[in-house]
Amino acid sequence: EVVLTQFPGTLSLSPGERATLSCRASQSISSTHLVWYQQKPGQAPRLLIYGAYSRATGIPDRFSGSGSGTDFTLTISRLEPEDFAVYYCQQYSSLLLTFGGGTKVEIK
Amino acid sequence: QVQLQESGPRLVKPSETLSLTCAVSGDSITSYYWNWIRQPPGKGLEWIGFTHHSGATSYNPSLKSRVTTSVDTSKNQFSLRLSSVTAADTAVYYCAKWAGSPEAFDIWGQGTMVAVSS
Repeated sequence: EVVLTQFPGTLSLSPGERATLSCRASQSISSTHLVWYQQKPGQAPRLLIYGAYSRATGIPDRFSGSGSGTDFTLTISRLEPEDFAVYYCQQYSSLLLTFGGGTKVEIK
Repeated sequence: QVQLQESGPRLVKPSETLSLTCAVSGDSITSYYWNWIRQPPGKGLEWIGFTHHSGATSYNPSLKSRVTTSVDTSKNQFSLRLSSVTAADTAVYYCAKWAGSPEAFDIWGQGTMVAVSS
């Protein structure tokens, strides 16, 4: 089973700042199998990035994904007030799916 | 646009079986893979498993011995059964659609909170 570790656990930033979130896999995974979600309090997660790099429909271009192998990154170029939330990475391989523990992006 | 709606008891007693249903509207359940995901209060997401109308399933190894999922094509819905529940199974349970393109959970239900308590 692939374990995903996200860091930092919490990121305290101000609106307009750049956010860099990391997701590390316990073994190499295909980039096509790495996904990012955003979750706000009381809501279901929302798909942000799939295939490590591709933005989902309706996702603004301030969100970008990168990485390969075991290290992946979600970058929010300039934080908007609505971006303060928890972000999860997720992978699938061999018909098994796992989520990372999440990174909370909070207002500083 | 596909929409998902979970339903089922909000309170389950320890050692009993948790049963939830997810109604699918806006598309046929014979497409895609249908998943269950849960989130304990204040914690992260945990994938439970998926089911396909063909009968194909895959489950989280940590839950596999207690999980059963199924699809009812006549009602366009799918179901989860989790047996021998304990307080650790208290969580918000989400159903979600795994799209072939993109390969991700692109549609989620709103989630339903299930508490395990006597």
